[in-house]
Amino acid sequence: DAGITQSPRYKITETGRQVTLMCHQTWSHSYMFWYRQDLGHGLRLIYYSAAADITDKGEVPDGYVVSRSKTENFPLTLESATRSQTSVYFCASSESKEQYFGPGTRLTVT
Amino acid sequence: AQKITQTQPGMFVQEKEAVTLDCTYDTSDPSYGLFWYKQPSSGEMIFLIYQGSYDQQNATEGRYSLNFQKARKSANLVISASQLGDSAMYFCATQKGNNDMRFGAGTRLTVKP
Repeated sequence: DAGITQSPRYKITETGRQVTLMCHQTWSHSYMFWYRQDLGHGLRLIYYSAAADITDKGEVPDGYVVSRSKTENFPLTLESATRSQTSVYFCASSESKEQYFGPGTRLTVT
Repeated sequence: AQKITQTQPGMFVQEKEAVTLDCTYDTSDPSYGLFWYKQPSSGEMIFLIYQGSYDQQNATEGRYSLNFQKARKSANLVISASQLGDSAMYFCATQKGNNDMRFGAGTRLTVKP
């Protein structure tokens, strides 16, 4: 299917475990982004990538790692999950201005 | 850093009436973009409208228009002829370049029949 997809859609993990959220887009957009959404904060940028092998920190990068070996994929890894990382995570892609968002992943850290 | 303020946590509007959702921003960059996104209860983020900081005219997209007042750093969203399906969270955002997008906390709009 064309578009931007995220997996898993729902994930429950324990404190201290590593978890990876996947993001895949079929448009060959240069830019990809990861956001988290918490009540009262809107969306906050975690990391972004301008192209394959180019990534940079956003507003709230601590505790997260990203990579982008292929243009279409932009995985987000929580190396040692904490309860404060319980959130809804959105991936987005863009070629110029408008960003297209994936459906989101709801992550719960117990 | 850019800062976005949406002062209305919740708004109500009668069906078929117009509603204005407020957004003010604080940026020192001369070039930036302004966006509005809609998030229905299903959770997806839907792009509504875009305004560039150098655009002379206010952006319009169907029933959506952006009331851009650059000197006041204001970018209010106007929805005309509200429909029940317009009930959702609405987020204002600014973007510097092609990457640094910052969102406000959002306004929950409820359209009453």
